[in-house]
Amino acid sequence: DTGVSQDPRHKITKRGQNVTFRCDPISEHNRLYWYRQTLGQGPEFLTYFQNEAQLEKSRLLSDRFSAERPKGSFSTLEIQRTEQGDSAMYLCASSLAGQSNVLTFGAGSRLTVL
Amino acid sequence: TQLLEQSPQFLSIQEGENLTVYCNSSSVFSSLQWYRQEPGEGPVLLVTVVTGGEVKKLKRLTFQFGDARKDSSLHITAAQPGDTGLYLCAGVLDSSYKLIFGSGTRLLVRP
Repeated sequence: DTGVSQDPRHKITKRGQNVTFRCDPISEHNRLYWYRQTLGQGPEFLTYFQNEAQLEKSRLLSDRFSAERPKGSFSTLEIQRTEQGDSAMYLCASSLAGQSNVLTFGAGSRLTVL
Repeated sequence: TQLLEQSPQFLSIQEGENLTVYCNSSSVFSSLQWYRQEPGEGPVLLVTVVTGGEVKKLKRLTFQFGDARKDSSLHITAAQPGDTGLYLCAGVLDSSYKLIFGSGTRLLVRP
């Protein structure tokens, strides 16, 4: 399978706990994006990497959120001290640098904060 | 305020009917895309349009990019139950690399 993989697919946690999501992009893609999607809405941009460099963070990404892409391959998105409002689908996508409008999305990681 | 406004938000039609979904903005986009998303899955790209006035056809789906590159439409002919899903338009603003999504149109095609 050469698509974008996300893990875990589903996570249920209690308020105040930390959670981490992992994304494995398509191997030759050097750009990686994180989006958040709440029920009935379109995905909202969170952050973007080119190789290992995080080039932009949305204002939606509060101090409790941190994303890394240490070796320019897989990426992690960590949410600290989760709140109920963090409940959403977290989508990862990847693309080639010269084709930033052609994103391939993973299936997403659904977070439920109780 | 959503940069890309989609209408209608929800559409329920009978199999065999035609429908059009609209995506509008006051901003100019260098390209615009349509995605389809099924429950519990990520969006899947259907088409990319880059030239103002461009029309692309994909079987029963016709996509149009407005002349001014501010709007787009998706027309489905003879809808089938398998067309059911969330249709999302998304665009890249001029001098940007970031894909911005509309709020989506949820389509239900009843057998």
